[in-house]
Amino acid sequence: KQEVTQIPAALSVPEGENLVLNCSFTDSAIYNLQWFRQDPGKGLTSLLLIQSSQREQTSGRLNASLDKSSGRSTLYIAASQPGDSATYLCAVISGGSNYKLTFGKGTLLTVNP
Amino acid sequence: NAGVTQTPKFRVLKTGQSMTLLCAQDMNHEYMYWYRQDPGMGLRLIHYSVGEGTTAKGEVPDGYNVSRLKKQNFLLGLESAAPSQTSVYFCASSPRASVQETQYFGPGTRLLVL
Repeated sequence: KQEVTQIPAALSVPEGENLVLNCSFTDSAIYNLQWFRQDPGKGLTSLLLIQSSQREQTSGRLNASLDKSSGRSTLYIAASQPGDSATYLCAVISGGSNYKLTFGKGTLLTVNP
Repeated sequence: NAGVTQTPKFRVLKTGQSMTLLCAQDMNHEYMYWYRQDPGMGLRLIHYSVGEGTTAKGEVPDGYNVSRLKKQNFLLGLESAAPSQTSVYFCASSPRASVQETQYFGPGTRLLVL
């Protein structure tokens, strides 16, 4: 059974700092890996989707990498801003299913002004 | 486009009562999903649909039923609510299988069962 772990569970940084969020998964036979953002009391917003054949994806100040063989992904946020404060969720598609997302529990990020 | 909308936003039920959560999407997506989010558990898939008239069980389907009579709507029913069903429920949709596409999420429905 696929399990997704995110470390750390919570992170507090000063504005302007570069930071890395970590995600690991137990079954390396994934189809893709996705990073989502969740604001308090809101739904999830997709940030980046990395196909299993890709090594990284970039969107603005965000860069996500994927190392399928080691079962790891990182989300790099450059020059963090208070508006980046949210919970970041990692999810993978795996196990012969083409739809079922397995989610990690998330990292709660706080960027202090 | 409104995207994915959910009705109601918040509801309080007594144990044994029934209710239906409505999800609607205006993006002409084929796939729709219902998740629940609980503290310390992450999001878990309840039921899903790969097209109008189809439904299938996800990871935690017990105590829930679903229907997809129209392509744009996906209903989640609780026939006899239990306190263990207190949770935040999210609906999502995707144009096709999520191997190629991400899922688009609604704002959630907070359900409290007393």
